[in-house]
Amino acid sequence: AQSVAQPEDQVNVAEGNPLTVKCTYSVSGNPYLFWYVQYPNRGLQFLLKYITGDNLVKGSYGFEAEFNKSQTSFHLKKPSALVSDSALYFCAVRAIGFSNDYKLSFGAGTTVTVRA
Amino acid sequence: NAGVTQTPKFQVLKTGQSMTLQCAQDMNHEYMSWYRQDPGMGLRLIHYSVGAGITDQGEVPNGYNVSRSTTEDFPLRLLSAAPSQTSVYFCASSTQAGYEQYFGPGTRLTVT
Repeated sequence: AQSVAQPEDQVNVAEGNPLTVKCTYSVSGNPYLFWYVQYPNRGLQFLLKYITGDNLVKGSYGFEAEFNKSQTSFHLKKPSALVSDSALYFCAVRAIGFSNDYKLSFGAGTTVTVRA
Repeated sequence: NAGVTQTPKFQVLKTGQSMTLQCAQDMNHEYMSWYRQDPGMGLRLIHYSVGAGITDQGEVPNGYNVSRSTTEDFPLRLLSAAPSQTSVYFCASSTQAGYEQYFGPGTRLTVT
């Protein structure tokens, strides 16, 4: 079975400060890892993904994430947060190499509030 | 192109009624899926399809049916609505099963 944990329900930061949203995962074998963002009353939007290669992945809107295999983590980061980054963030995982298992598992989500 | 579209945006049903949530994509994606989103629980996979004519169950399939007769459409049927099915439903598609998914705007369903 595969699963994702987002240990913080809420993250509050001041505009201009660094933003980190934590994600740990459990999967058999190597993972595909994703971050999505959801703005109020909207569908989810893809931010970035890790499949293989460089452990630091850069994505949309200045976000990046670092894959750490030993800690089974994939934390989302942004060096300088904006008020417009306030949203609900989801981490997701899928195992690589299981040809008959296409299921993507999502975390419960972390609400980010950036105050001006 | 329109991406992933879902209809209706809002729906209120009485317990025991049936209905179909529509989902369509115009990106020629092979993989499509249905999720429900409930507060504090993230997104849970209901059913998915890896191509026309092929569907499979996700994490929470009970009370829902799907079919995939064309690449473009992936409707979700509620057979006999229950209050526990009150949720926001999202349809998503991707080029392949492991790749990033494109989500529709969602359908907010209330069952009374």
